[in-house]
Amino acid sequence: QQPVQSPQAVILREGEDAVINCSSSKALYSVHWYRQKHGEAPVFLMILLKGGEQKGHEKISASFNEKKQQSSLYLTASQLSYSGTYFCGTERNKIIFGKGTRLHILP
Amino acid sequence: GAGVSQSPRYKVAKRGQDVALRCDPISGHVSLFWYQQALGQGPEFLTYFQNEAQLDKSGLPSDRFFAERPEGSVSTLKIQRTQQEDSAVYLCASSLAVRGPDEKLFFGSGTQLSVL
Repeated sequence: QQPVQSPQAVILREGEDAVINCSSSKALYSVHWYRQKHGEAPVFLMILLKGGEQKGHEKISASFNEKKQQSSLYLTASQLSYSGTYFCGTERNKIIFGKGTRLHILP
Repeated sequence: GAGVSQSPRYKVAKRGQDVALRCDPISGHVSLFWYQQALGQGPEFLTYFQNEAQLDKSGLPSDRFFAERPEGSVSTLKIQRTQQEDSAVYLCASSLAVRGPDEKLFFGSGTQLSVL
């Protein structure tokens, strides 16, 4: 079952914050987050395991609520380099990705 | 190598032709995945190998798609009698260990297949 991501697209000005949500109808073992720039390979950002823990990567952090089967990715004080498409992937032996959230940062 | 390598980078095929896409995972990586990514969509799971064993092929869209990893390293995804709907980017990813919830994937740059 493919996770559902929202919003589908976001346009921000440099320095603004954004939240990307990922939800699943099935129980999750873990949630992965990747970023893909146009024409490039997806790049790993972070993995969140059961336990509602929050992880961070530069000014990007995420939370995982296993009871609600949801994860959120937080981008703080966005930089131009954050532009790209963000995918969440839910793990049950294999990673199933959502359709992605396109993030565009304006200078 | 330093990363996951895929070849060719671009492939144009006439409808009905057979194609073979190659993936060289990071040396020593046990797990290998193939994904299909249509334009503007997320990667869709095709198949998974642990060493040479194909443990999951539930995502292969039809029996025209076949993947192998005979020596547990390089993998080949073969598509027979290509159709226009096969046009997509085919991504290969590998991870260090046996699948676990905390094993991150390293992706190659993909092969963009265009079927005319």
